[in-house]
Amino acid sequence: AQSVAQPEDQVNVAEGNPLTVKCTYSVSGNPYLFWYVQYPNRGLQFLLKYITGDNLVKGSYGFEAEFNKSQTSFHLKKPSALVSDSALYFCAVRDIAAAGNKLTFGGGTRVLVKP
Amino acid sequence: GAGVSQSPSNKVTEKGKDVELRCDPISGHTALYWYRQRLGQGLEFLIYFQGNSAPDKSGLPSDRFSAERTGESVSTLTIQRTQQEDSAVYLCASSLAWTYHNEQFFGPGTRLTVL
Repeated sequence: AQSVAQPEDQVNVAEGNPLTVKCTYSVSGNPYLFWYVQYPNRGLQFLLKYITGDNLVKGSYGFEAEFNKSQTSFHLKKPSALVSDSALYFCAVRDIAAAGNKLTFGGGTRVLVKP
Repeated sequence: GAGVSQSPSNKVTEKGKDVELRCDPISGHTALYWYRQRLGQGLEFLIYFQGNSAPDKSGLPSDRFSAERTGESVSTLTIQRTQQEDSAVYLCASSLAWTYHNEQFFGPGTRLTVL
């Protein structure tokens, strides 16, 4: 079975400071990992994904994430947060060894960037 | 280009009634997914379609839930004899193919309230 954990329900950060949103995963095979962002009253938007290759993945809006196989983590980062980054962030995993094609999502982390 | 669209955006119904939720995927996307998002929680996988077939129905909560897809395009999620616990946002997503690394593009969701 595949699972994802986002240990923080909410992250508060001042504008201009670094932002980190944590994600750990569990799969039986190799993972495909994704980050999505959900703004109020809008659908989820894709930010970035890790498939293979470089552990540091760069995505939309200045976000990046680092895949760490030994720690089974895929933390989302942004060097300098903006107020407009305030939203709900979801990490998701797909186990390429498992049958089916579903994404398993974490519970989400609410990010609040204060001016 | 046009994204994934869903209708209605909001649906209020009485317990015991049937409801139909519609999803129009991005043109050319052969894979289509349904998720449920309860208030304050992450996304729960319901079903996915590869073309018009549904290889994985494992997430459907009960036999009151069903879904179909026609013309490798529009999909309908039907909930019969709705219960209050069915209240949630129902999200639809599509992707270019069902392969594991393709990101999913989400619609804005249908907010279902069962009174």
